[in-house]
Formats: sequence, C-alpha cells, structure tokens
Amino acid sequence: SQQGEEDPQALSIQEGENATMNCSYKTSINNLQWYRQNSGRGLVHLILIRSNEREKHSGRLRVTLDTSKKSSSLLITASRAADTASYFCATDANSGYALNFGKGTSLLVTP
Amino acid sequence: NAGVTQTPKFQVLKTGQSMTLQCAQDMNHEYMSWYRQDPGMGLRLIHYSVGAGITDQGEVPNGYNVSRSTTEDFPLRLLSAAPSQTSVYFCASSPGGQGFTDTQYFGPGTRLTVL
Repeated sequence: SQQGEEDPQALSIQEGENATMNCSYKTSINNLQWYRQNSGRGLVHLILIRSNEREKHSGRLRVTLDTSKKSSSLLITASRAADTASYFCATDANSGYALNFGKGTSLLVTP
Repeated sequence: NAGVTQTPKFQVLKTGQSMTLQCAQDMNHEYMSWYRQDPGMGLRLIHYSVGAGITDQGEVPNGYNVSRSTTEDFPLRLLSAAPSQTSVYFCASSPGGQGFTDTQYFGPGTRLTVL
C-alpha cells in the first residue's frame, strides 16, 4: 500500500520563489527519501533523511522530518524553470527491500 | 557506467499476448525492483529481488513473473497482457544489505499499451 501522501497535489509558482511540498506517512520508518521526475523520464534521487535526523540540506533543497507527526517537507529555494517536475516522497516502511511512494506533487515554475 | 537500462522504451501489445521487459544494471547492486506508474497513482511495487535467485512479490504482482539468474539482469514477464496492464514500468536498483532501503537508481522506463 502507498505509505506517503504528498500535499499539495499541484503547485504553481514563479521563478525565484520558494516551493514547499509536504509528505505524510502512516507507519514507522528507517528513512524517508525525495525523488524528482521530469516529464516522461525516470525518477532521480534528491535526498535521503534518516529517522534520527530532523533536517538536511543539499544545495537549494532543504528537507525536514518530524517523526512524531509522521511528516516531512521539501523546500526548494529560489526556484528555477528547470525545477518544473513531479516530486515524490518515499519511505522504506521497515521493508528494507523497496520503497513505498506517494502520488507526488506536480510543480510548475514559470519564468 | 550505464546505470540502469530498460528495453524497450515503448511497446504496444494485444490482449493475451506475452512479452518480457528487460532491465539491466552495471553497478553490482544486490537489490532490484519493478514498479508501475499509473496516472494519479504514484509508483506501485510489482516484484523485487534481494539477490540472484531470490525474488518476492510486491503490492501488485498478479499477471507478472520475474526471475533473477544474474546480479545484473531482472526481467519482468507479462504472461497474458490485459488492458489493465497499460502503464509505465520502471526498474530500479539499490546497493542493499543495510537493513533499510537505500537510494534507488531508476531506469528510464518502458511505456506499455495493451489494446
């Protein structure tokens, strides 16, 4: 079953603005990951945050994790048109083998 | 490294036909998985493998078979295609062996249409 649920389903912003996407999940996890998918392409790993971490940065990306609320957020700062894509959160849900993906947030960044 | 490769990129089948979607990785990863992606549904796990000779079912395994005879290859077989199997199929691999799911590396996908 799908573990994560992203919110909002779609987000439209202008270049230079920040984009925030949220993910909620249901059961305990070892880690949570965020992936990006450009239209018609495969998924690309962005960042992994472990259950004992609260915040992680990678370039213009900032991910937070609140295990007490079973939620995570992905912040993209100073968005660019090239950031236009779908963003998925994924959890391992203790399986250790594969990921459970949410339905994704579709981000549109307009010039 | 080529990473994860998938063939074909596109395929059209008639109901009842069978075919094999190919997946290969050159990163010596232990774990490999197959997902399908349908509009509005995200990715759902079909089958996965934790090493050569070891496979198991995911969330939506019906109508699909897999085998893992080598570390590199993980083909997905559609036994008798149905329109409900129209989807985009992604193969992924990860190093494995850590007790939790590590970063997954995805192939470019196969877009399958069943008429």
